[in-house]
Amino acid sequence: AQKITQTQPGMFVQEKEAVTLDCTYDTSDQSYGLFWYKQPSSGEMIFLIYQGSYDEQNATEGRYSLNFQKARKSANLVISASQLGDSAMYFCAMREGPGGTSYGKLTFGQGTILTVHP
Amino acid sequence: GAVVSQHPSWVICKSGTSVKIECRSLDFQATTMFWYRQFPKQSLMLMATSNEGSKATYEQGVEKDKFLINHASLTLSTLTVTSAHPEDSSFYICSARAQWGNEQYFGPGTRLTVT
Repeated sequence: AQKITQTQPGMFVQEKEAVTLDCTYDTSDQSYGLFWYKQPSSGEMIFLIYQGSYDEQNATEGRYSLNFQKARKSANLVISASQLGDSAMYFCAMREGPGGTSYGKLTFGQGTILTVHP
Repeated sequence: GAVVSQHPSWVICKSGTSVKIECRSLDFQATTMFWYRQFPKQSLMLMATSNEGSKATYEQGVEKDKFLINHASLTLSTLTVTSAHPEDSSFYICSARAQWGNEQYFGPGTRLTVT
């Protein structure tokens, strides 16, 4: 069974500083995908970044980068130059590997509430 | 980009009644849709996987007779909460997996309150 762990229930960061949100995972699959989503108070799930298990380079999307350490089974999200609008709940998720009708099913971590202070 | 809509965005119903929530992929075909449930300040829990033209696959502990899922077309999946009770009050979110790429597109969610 797949498992995703986010050990930080809440994080605080000063505006314009960088912050790292931790995520570790456990799977026996060789092929899997890791995602980060942002959920503001409105409830919508906003896709931030994706990392495939076979991707050798860390994914980056604007101010977001994913620090992928496969051997340690960690996929931390780094947000650079934090903005007030970054305050939200952040979820790490893992996608089940290809094959089978449940391909695409995501398993989510517990989430981290990020608060950006001015 | 790919858009998924949900209707209604919020609903209040009386205990014992049934509520239907629609999930539509607006500009792409989704052979697979997923239904999640989220309680306040908690994670998303997968309820079921919905495949077009076949029966939904429910996660362990989810009552399939209470949460009826229909995926009648490549752009529409519905979740019906039957005989709703106050403990069914929650945020229900659907997502759709496109036939290409890695991303899963989420709907905006439906907040259900059962009184």
